[in-house]
Amino acid sequence: EIEMTQSPATLSVSPGERATLSCRASQSVSSNLAWYQQIPGQAPRLLIYGASTRATGIPARFSGSGSGTEFTLTISSLQSEDFAVYYCQQYNNWPPDTFGQGTKLEIK
Amino acid sequence: QVQLQESGPGLVKPSETLSLTCTVSGGSVSSHYWSWIRQPPGNKLEWIGYIYYSGSTNYNPSLKSRVTISIDTSRNQFSLKLSSVTAADTAVYYCARGPTVTTGGAFDIWGQGTMVTVSS
Repeated sequence: EIEMTQSPATLSVSPGERATLSCRASQSVSSNLAWYQQIPGQAPRLLIYGASTRATGIPARFSGSGSGTEFTLTISSLQSEDFAVYYCQQYNNWPPDTFGQGTKLEIK
Repeated sequence: QVQLQESGPGLVKPSETLSLTCTVSGGSVSSHYWSWIRQPPGNKLEWIGYIYYSGSTNYNPSLKSRVTISIDTSRNQFSLKLSSVTAADTAVYYCARGPTVTTGGAFDIWGQGTMVTVSS
């Protein structure tokens, strides 16, 4: 089973600033990686799939990059609604799909 | 647009079977794959398994011996059964659409989730 490791566990950023979140796979997952946003008490929302393709309705300030084992989610100018927990998910070697443990993005 | 809604008991006794149903509205289950995913309190997401409308399934190896996912196209629903539950199965259970042709193995639509507690 592929292990997904996200860093940092918690990221404190001011509104309007850029946030950079990382996800590392224990072995190559090619570009078969997704990012999700989860606001407490809500279901996850798909942001990015294929490592860099924004899902329907996702604002352009969200961007994904990377391939192989190293991936990044960048939020270019943080809005108040962006403070949440973010998960990465690999779907290259499945079953099972595996998720990272999450990065909590909090207001500085 | 397509919406998913989970339903089922919120409390299950140890050793019994957890049963949940996901109702799909605004679209048909007779396309795409449909998955169950769970999230224990304070923990990460765990994919349980998926079903295609044809009835073919694929399960997480760690749960495979206890999981059954089925589909009822006439009711536009799919269901999860997890047998011999323990406290470790306490979690929020989500139904979701995916994998899909567009998003690959990603899950593009989720239900709101339902909390299931295993306790006597």
